[in-house]
Amino acid sequence: DQQVKQNSPSLSVQEGRISILNCDYTNSMFDYFLWYKKYPAEGPTFLISISSIKDKNEDGRFTVFLNKSAKHLSLHIVPSQPGDSAVYFCAASNFGNEKLTFGTGTRLTIIP
Amino acid sequence: ETGVTQSPTHLIKTRGQQVTLRCSSQSGHNTVSWYQQALGQGPQFIFQYYREEENGRGNFPPRFSGLQFPNYSSELNVNALELDDSALYLCASSSSRTGGWNEQFFGPGTRLTVL
Repeated sequence: DQQVKQNSPSLSVQEGRISILNCDYTNSMFDYFLWYKKYPAEGPTFLISISSIKDKNEDGRFTVFLNKSAKHLSLHIVPSQPGDSAVYFCAASNFGNEKLTFGTGTRLTIIP
Repeated sequence: ETGVTQSPTHLIKTRGQQVTLRCSSQSGHNTVSWYQQALGQGPQFIFQYYREEENGRGNFPPRFSGLQFPNYSSELNVNALELDDSALYLCASSSSRTGGWNEQFFGPGTRLTVL
């Protein structure tokens, strides 16, 4: 039972354009959502998060949008840079409980 | 400040054997979580230790066990290895406190291959 889904295994975007990565979840008890970035041979690193009381959170080039009624979140990266090429994981949790439920990841490739 | 480290980097075992993976938490962190990432999948929560006690467990059988030591380093033990145990095992540490989100910092992982 996949509670967090990333339906696009891969995405290619031209440098300078916007990258949009999508994530859906099924468990309505989740109230905290995170995006992690993973380079080969490294552990996932935290990128940005959002609480269910918000619908948008920005941090520099990264913005996460949350649509609770659709149980959908997205990560926008603008402008995309070559260093953004990595695997991006969406994760969900209950605030205060550090058990993370991850999606399967989306491999983002930025084309120079 | 030293980040989360894991050893060994790679490991090859045969079915039925036992394995121990090790994790050193980031300085000042008192909580460690272990995740299994199979090929093409996202990390799956195995269990978490807080101050040497198990503090939550995912859907993994009892042959997956762990320890946390007084210095907050940790071990993951897997008995009676099966082929499906082949995966990247990730350790994450955090500094648990009340009233806030405790960011988890991941190590680079141990790649286990079971033949």
